[in-house]
Amino acid sequence: DAGVTQSPTHLIKTRGQQVTLRCSPKSGHDTVSWYQQALGQGPQFIFQYYEEEERQRGNFPDRFSGHQFPNYSSELNVNALLLGDSALYLCASSLVRGRGTGGPETQYFGPGTRLLVL
Amino acid sequence: DQQVKQNSPSLSVQEGRISILNCDYTNSMFDYFLWYKKYPAEGPTFLISISSIKDKNEDGRFTVFLNKSAKHLSLHIVPSQPGDSAVYFCAVGQGAQKLVFGQGTRLTINP
Repeated sequence: DAGVTQSPTHLIKTRGQQVTLRCSPKSGHDTVSWYQQALGQGPQFIFQYYEEEERQRGNFPDRFSGHQFPNYSSELNVNALLLGDSALYLCASSLVRGRGTGGPETQYFGPGTRLLVL
Repeated sequence: DQQVKQNSPSLSVQEGRISILNCDYTNSMFDYFLWYKKYPAEGPTFLISISSIKDKNEDGRFTVFLNKSAKHLSLHIVPSQPGDSAVYFCAVGQGAQKLVFGQGTRLTINP
């Protein structure tokens, strides 16, 4: 059973550039959530996609945008990168309809993409 | 405005003894509570969860306790093993919506 996968694993960008991160959900899952984890902090919710639409958004600026494709995979785009955007970006998948292994609300995380902005 | 707090940044426990990790939350609307374990350079791994209709859930060596009146949950690991050394995050949510995480507790199991 394939788990959540993310690409790339690491990325280095400079200020002002744009970046796209990718996520494939766990097999059978239909919802993808994105989180940002700064060093020494817990993950912070960016947004969640279900049925190719953003259904909830955290306290992040419009520079952060996303997309979900018909196969449930997702992309996170960040424009006009700032030094403070350096973090681990985590994707989590879950199953809204029916029950997953841990319950319908359980989110399963990928390994993350480490982004460094110079 | 921290909705979820893990007040102990670190905890050190002897192998074989019980590890107790604590978490407090502020919003009584939360109805789903989870614990994740995280190793360096990996994403969080789901450990155990509990819904607001229960006050205890067990899975092998892991037990989660929920005290709704105190808005407090805890994770008990017994017996603790060296492989349990990691950072533990509590997370709370409402339905299938976003999760709000605590800042994590670094657990070290000493041989």
